[in-house]
Amino acid sequence: DAGVIQSPRHEVTEMGQEVTLRCKPISGHDYLFWYRQTMMRGLELLIYFNNNVPIDDSGMPEDRFSAKMPNASFSTLKIQPSEPRDSAVYFCASSGGWDRGYNEQFFGPGTRLTVL
Amino acid sequence: LAKTTQPISMDSYEGQEVNITCSHNNIATNDYITWYQQFPSQGPRFIIQGYKTKVTNEVASLFIPADRKSSTLSLPRVSLSDTAVYYCLVGDQYGGSQGNLIFGKGTKLSVKP
Repeated sequence: DAGVIQSPRHEVTEMGQEVTLRCKPISGHDYLFWYRQTMMRGLELLIYFNNNVPIDDSGMPEDRFSAKMPNASFSTLKIQPSEPRDSAVYFCASSGGWDRGYNEQFFGPGTRLTVL
Repeated sequence: LAKTTQPISMDSYEGQEVNITCSHNNIATNDYITWYQQFPSQGPRFIIQGYKTKVTNEVASLFIPADRKSSTLSLPRVSLSDTAVYYCLVGDQYGGSQGNLIFGKGTKLSVKP
């Protein structure tokens, strides 16, 4: 398996623009997570899905952020409008739960977002 | 949610054994202890997970005392490539608790030649 795939790897945009980050989880995994990492706040969980259904979005900073998972192989994280404080690395991770006797999240390479 | 405390940074030399201890005084009965490793510009990578006593895999060992209020990640004979940030996480991770893992600031391990 190719692992978790994220696109784009880098995104530079201007304040006020809409940004869409994409994620393809590992095939067969039924959990998908979106994280954000900054130097100041570390790695924060934004939202996670189970079987394409959002389970907990309490980490989503505000209404400007939205996430969808239309099917088991695709998820998006959208920021509209974007602000400079949204600049961070956004990671997507997937997990098969306890299917291997332990619970492991597989992280993608991340999308580095810069909002000017 | 169980809070974890671990050293901000550690230094070591190649070939040495490194032990990173994590404190989690309010760990709950159903909580597991998980360690992740993160290299610069990469996502975290799972290292090991345990509930009690000792767990060993091809990469590391995890020691958990009987009271489970702390845990120690042991990396045998580290190399320069083990320089990374190591996160200790505690949570039950069952069902709706999948998102209960909190990545703190981690321990930045620097391995020197």
